[in-house]
Amino acid sequence: ETGVTQSPTHLIKTRGQQVTLRCSSQSGHNTVSWYQQALGQGPQFIFQYYREEENGRGNFPPRFSGLQFPNYSSELNVNALELDDSALYLCASSLIANYGYTFGSGTRLTVV
Amino acid sequence: AQSVTQLGSHVSVSEGALVLLRCNYSSSVPPYLFWYVQYPNQGLQLLLKYTTGATLVKGINGFEAEFKKSETSFHLTKPSAHMSDAAEYFCAVTGIQGAQKLVFGQGTRLTINP
Repeated sequence: ETGVTQSPTHLIKTRGQQVTLRCSSQSGHNTVSWYQQALGQGPQFIFQYYREEENGRGNFPPRFSGLQFPNYSSELNVNALELDDSALYLCASSLIANYGYTFGSGTRLTVV
Repeated sequence: AQSVTQLGSHVSVSEGALVLLRCNYSSSVPPYLFWYVQYPNQGLQLLLKYTTGATLVKGINGFEAEFKKSETSFHLTKPSAHMSDAAEYFCAVTGIQGAQKLVFGQGTRLTINP
């Protein structure tokens, strides 16, 4: 049983740039969620994808967008990066209605 | 709407002592409750979860938590702390309605003194 894999592990971007983060779900899982964890804070829900459609969204602006692919892998895209976007981005996969979330190790994004 | 409050951003105990990390929740629907642990520069690892059934839930590494609906609490305990338990602990809540988003508390940093 494979876990959740995220890439890259670390990333440095300049304010105003765009970034794409990637996530491979755990084998057999059909739902993927993304969370933002600022330093010293708990993770905040960004959005969730199920069957390649957005299934729920947190309080994040439209410049945060995502995709889920037929193999259940996923991307998080952030446009027009701001300094406050610096955070650990966590991907979690699960089976819909199962509540057995498996988290990846995250991507540490630094915006300078 | 749901929310989680973790009482105490930092808890320090001696090795071998009882660990008690407090979590209170607010939920307009029947809650599902979780405890996660995060080691430095790593993701979240599930310790235990409550969905339905028995209110005393046993998890990994000797941790357990009890769901008390009347007190809206889900405190995490471990009878005897080990040095390896030093980490950040997060309590989270979700509901069966809508997107299965987890709402996390601010976290409690657990330090173990030798």
